[in-house]
Amino acid sequence: DAGITQSPRHKVTETGTPVTLRCHQTENHRYMYWYRQDPGHGLRLIHYSYGVKDTDKGEVSDGYSVSRSKTEDFLLTLESATSSQTSVYFCATEENSGNTIYFGEGSWLTVV
Amino acid sequence: GESVGLHLPTLSVQEGDNSIINCAYSNSASDYFIWYKQESGKGPQFIIDIRSNMDKRQGQRVTVLLNKTVKHLSLQIAATQPGDSAVYFCAERRLTGGGNKLTFGTGTQLKVEL
Repeated sequence: DAGITQSPRHKVTETGTPVTLRCHQTENHRYMYWYRQDPGHGLRLIHYSYGVKDTDKGEVSDGYSVSRSKTEDFLLTLESATSSQTSVYFCATEENSGNTIYFGEGSWLTVV
Repeated sequence: GESVGLHLPTLSVQEGDNSIINCAYSNSASDYFIWYKQESGKGPQFIIDIRSNMDKRQGQRVTVLLNKTVKHLSLQIAATQPGDSAVYFCAERRLTGGGNKLTFGTGTQLKVEL
């Protein structure tokens, strides 16, 4: 358990509205990740961070942006939510030794 | 291109039997292979991993086997219990300049029958 807290855990929003998901960790892990999980696709990497203000794109980054102003917080923003972004979003952090990646409990987002 | 896939989407076993969940991968550059368990409504939970230079690793009631010749990974669960019912994902990990990249398979649903 890496002390990962995601918020909100559940959200329903309308198409075209901005949405921000927050990931908070208490273990001072350097690396943090945002994944989305959809039926038939497994978990896919959206964005990741390798330090404060250091972020990069994953395989499904279109329509998403991230920010990391503090080690403990990694924010995922949907600038203008679309129905295709209805999904379960998981934050993950990686031990600084580089051995294990831990996941949060998920944020369920529905875009109507 | 690289891929991580699972042979069976659903596996049903009797309580007390051993379970074997299989996974195929195609990227020889991966340095670690990891198994995660995901219960309904929860995030993936780390079970066990294995380095690419190993063939076998054992944990508590679980064993992971890696066959690099055929690029095959398996998770064996001994004396399967109802609490083992979940979706199991294999993932391959590659170290990049931006941390470790995980590529996941689509998952296998394990159902334990009483």
